[in-house]
Amino acid sequence: SQTIHQWPATLVQPVGSPLSLECTVEGTSNPNLYWYRQAAGRGLQLLFYSVGIGQISSEVPQNLSASRPQDRQFILSSKKLLLSDSGFYLCAWRLGTSVYNEQFFGPGTRLTVL
Amino acid sequence: TQLLEQSPQFLSIQEGENLTVYCNSSSVFSSLQWYRQEPGEGPVLLVTVVTGGEVKKLKRLTFQFGDARKDSSLHITAAQPGDTGLYLCAGVPIQGAQKLVFGQGTRLTINP
Repeated sequence: SQTIHQWPATLVQPVGSPLSLECTVEGTSNPNLYWYRQAAGRGLQLLFYSVGIGQISSEVPQNLSASRPQDRQFILSSKKLLLSDSGFYLCAWRLGTSVYNEQFFGPGTRLTVL
Repeated sequence: TQLLEQSPQFLSIQEGENLTVYCNSSSVFSSLQWYRQEPGEGPVLLVTVVTGGEVKKLKRLTFQFGDARKDSSLHITAAQPGDTGLYLCAGVPIQGAQKLVFGQGTRLTINP
């Protein structure tokens, strides 16, 4: 069966510090991968998605970047965090061949920028 | 831009009552999913509906996809405290099928 991992689970960082969040998927090959951000108790904002190694699509201009160095690894980064970067970050995967685009989410990372 | 509007945004009812949550759009979707999310966790997929007019049941939860595939509803019968959570609908637009479009969510609280 497939599993998705995110770490760290929680993170408190000062403004201006760098960021690296990691997501890995097990049990599948060549998944589509997604990074979302969620404001408190609300809907999800798509940040980046990737359909293959080294391929990144950005949805919104922002202080963040993403990379996919391996098939099942997706990284969210920032060189200098802003207060507005605080939020709940979710990684998700989907089978590239899926007709229904069913996405499966990781446990999330709670980021607080102070 | 395809938008999914969920209503109500917040709902608090007593255990045993019935409720319906709506997910509406002016756009057509090739499929639509419902997720439930607990605080501090990732959303969990409940169901996918694909065919216009389709009805799916998951125990006390009934999901319906509109005939025109522009809207969906989630009905819960005899709600229980364990149903408490954030319910999210998400759709795959006819175009741009690599990305899900999410509604803003319905925060449901079932009081014992």
